[in-house]
Amino acid sequence: AQKVTQAQTEISVVEKEDVTLDCVYETRDTTYYLFWYKQPPSGELVFLIRRNSFDEQNEISGRYSWNFQKSTSSFNFTITASQVVDSAVYFCALNPMDSNYQLIWGAGTKLIIKP
Amino acid sequence: NAGVTQTPKFQVLKTGQSMTLQCAQDMNHNSMYWYRQDPGMGLRLIYYSASEGTTDKGEVPNGYNVSRLNKREFSLRLESAAPSQTSVYFCASSILFPGLADQETQYFGPGTRLLVL
Repeated sequence: AQKVTQAQTEISVVEKEDVTLDCVYETRDTTYYLFWYKQPPSGELVFLIRRNSFDEQNEISGRYSWNFQKSTSSFNFTITASQVVDSAVYFCALNPMDSNYQLIWGAGTKLIIKP
Repeated sequence: NAGVTQTPKFQVLKTGQSMTLQCAQDMNHNSMYWYRQDPGMGLRLIYYSASEGTTDKGEVPNGYNVSRLNKREFSLRLESAAPSQTSVYFCASSILFPGLADQETQYFGPGTRLLVL
């Protein structure tokens, strides 16, 4: 089965706290891409990161970091020192190489940052 | 460089009416996609076009048709709108070219909110 699970439906934290959004995926392919997208209250979908299955290096971009672990089929996303502007729905997605270009989406995690 | 644009931004239809949602991209991408997003849910693929001249069904194609007019434009048509088609519709595009840094990354338009009464 090809599947993406974001078990956290909603997370609420106070500003400046660190928060981790979980993403667990299933695929039979050895080559695939993983993505994170952000959907703020305004509704647009913003691309955050793409990770190739052969590259397990963690990635850091400012306050954002991603931890990719093939051993546990996880691609978790951490926001350090969260800010109110980080409030959004975050989607994790999988692109297996045999998917005929179709992304397999998680259900999303709604992140609420309280001031 | 506008990226992916969609028109209209918002539309209200009566059951049975038809309409076409327009999408254009200026990133020279070869693949384009139409998704729908219902409240509290992720995205579901309606149709996609891997390259100019080809279209294929996605997860939820019933009630929709598409046209890949040229490399830039990909339209979605509702022939006879139904209340179940009330949703937010997103168009996306991507490039499929081995070795490119953003290969297969889908970039999205701002969305079209459709209400069918």
